[in-house]
Amino acid sequence: QVQLQESGPGLVKPSETLSLTCTVSGGSISSYYWSWIRQPAGKGLEWIGRIYTSGSTNYNPSLKSRVTMSVDTSKNQFSLKLSSVTAADTAVYYCARGHSSRSHIDYWGQGTLVTVSS
Amino acid sequence: AIRITQSPSSLSASTGDRVTITCRASQGISSYLAWYQQKPGKAPKLLIYAASTLQSGVPSRFSGSGSGTDFTLTISCLQSEDFATYYCQQYYSYPSFGGGTKVEIK
Repeated sequence: QVQLQESGPGLVKPSETLSLTCTVSGGSISSYYWSWIRQPAGKGLEWIGRIYTSGSTNYNPSLKSRVTMSVDTSKNQFSLKLSSVTAADTAVYYCARGHSSRSHIDYWGQGTLVTVSS
Repeated sequence: AIRITQSPSSLSASTGDRVTITCRASQGISSYLAWYQQKPGKAPKLLIYAASTLQSGVPSRFSGSGSGTDFTLTISCLQSEDFATYYCQQYYSYPSFGGGTKVEIK
C-alpha cells in the first residue's frame, strides 16, 4: 500500500519561502507524476503543480512565478518550494500521486497545515 | 485555464435519498474527470475517474456519468458515512477542481 507523508515547518514568516517534502513509501517513486495541492481552511482545493520522476514540471500559472519543485528518486522524495509567501498561502498542503500527465489522483498524503504569520 | 462549475454548493438529504451533484467544464474535457469525497480533517478520497469508472473498493451506490462539458455524480441510496464534501476535478489540461458540494444531514 502506497503511503505519502508531508513534512516541513508548520509556520513560515511572510515574504519567506515555504518548503515541504513528501516521502513516498510502500512503492517506487519512479514513473509517476507527483503533485502538490493545497486547501485553505474551509475552502476548496487548488492544484499547485506536479513533477515527473525525470524532473519535468508543470505549474499552475497563477503560482508559477513562485513555485519550484524537485524530486530525489534515491530517497523516494519530492519537494515543494513556494517563495514570497503571504497570509493567503496559509493552507493545508497535500502531496499526491498521478499515473500520467492526464490522470486522476489515486493516492494522497494526509496533509500538513502551513501557517504564514510573523 | 479550464474552469469547473460545481452545483449545488451544499445540499441537505436524508439517509436513503438519491443525491445528484453536477459539474460543468468551461470547455470540452472528453471524459477526463474524477470525483473525490472529503471528510473533515482528512485528505480527499478518489471515488470515480474517467467520468464513470468506479475506483476499486468504492461502493456501487456511487456512479458517474457525462462527457464533454457536463458531468454528474449520483449516490443512489445515501448512507450515513456518505455525509461529506464532494469535489470534481478535470485533468484534460493542468488539473482544476470544482468548488465542492457539502452533503449534510436533513
